[in-house]
Amino acid sequence: QQPVQSPQAVILREGEDAVINCSSSKALYSVHWYRQKHGEAPVFLMILLKGGEQKGHEKISASFNEKKQQSSLYLTASQLSYSGTYFCGTRANNNAGNMLTFGGGTRLMVKP
Amino acid sequence: GAGVSQSPRYKVAKRGQDVALRCDPISGHVSLFWYQQALGQGPEFLTYFQNEAQLDKSGLPSDRFFAERPEGSVSTLKIQRTQQEDSAVYLCASSLGKDEQFFGPGTRLTVL
Repeated sequence: QQPVQSPQAVILREGEDAVINCSSSKALYSVHWYRQKHGEAPVFLMILLKGGEQKGHEKISASFNEKKQQSSLYLTASQLSYSGTYFCGTRANNNAGNMLTFGGGTRLMVKP
Repeated sequence: GAGVSQSPRYKVAKRGQDVALRCDPISGHVSLFWYQQALGQGPEFLTYFQNEAQLDKSGLPSDRFFAERPEGSVSTLKIQRTQQEDSAVYLCASSLGKDEQFFGPGTRLTVL
């Protein structure tokens, strides 16, 4: 079952902040965040691991609530280059392999 | 190369034709994944290799889909007797282990 992302779309002015949420019904081992621009490959932003370890982008932060199986991505002082579709990918605890289950995406548009 | 490469970038096939999609992962990456991405949706897992071993093929939609990675490096996804519902972007990703997956630009398959 795929994680649920919210909101589905958001429009910002340059410099504004945004929060994108990702919620799963399964116990998670890790949450991965990607940004994809139209016609391009998804680009890795951040990984949050069970136990609190994080690895990722300097200007983007995220949180992972293990009890609620939720993650949030925080985009601060947004830039035009932040526009794109953001996907969370989750790996469940009982996932013997390493494949990710992706949410439906959040489309972000940053306007000047 | 520096990143994951895929070829061809675009493929148009007539219904019933066979197609082969190639993925060159990042050198040294043990894990390789294939995902299918429909328009406006998140990537959906198809299959996973660790070196040359196909450890999970649970996401392949039918027995018309076949993937291989004979020498633990380059992988090929083959679709036999293509149908219109196979039209999608096919993404390949590679990783060193259980952490971030790096995606290629994808192959956009259109079945007429």
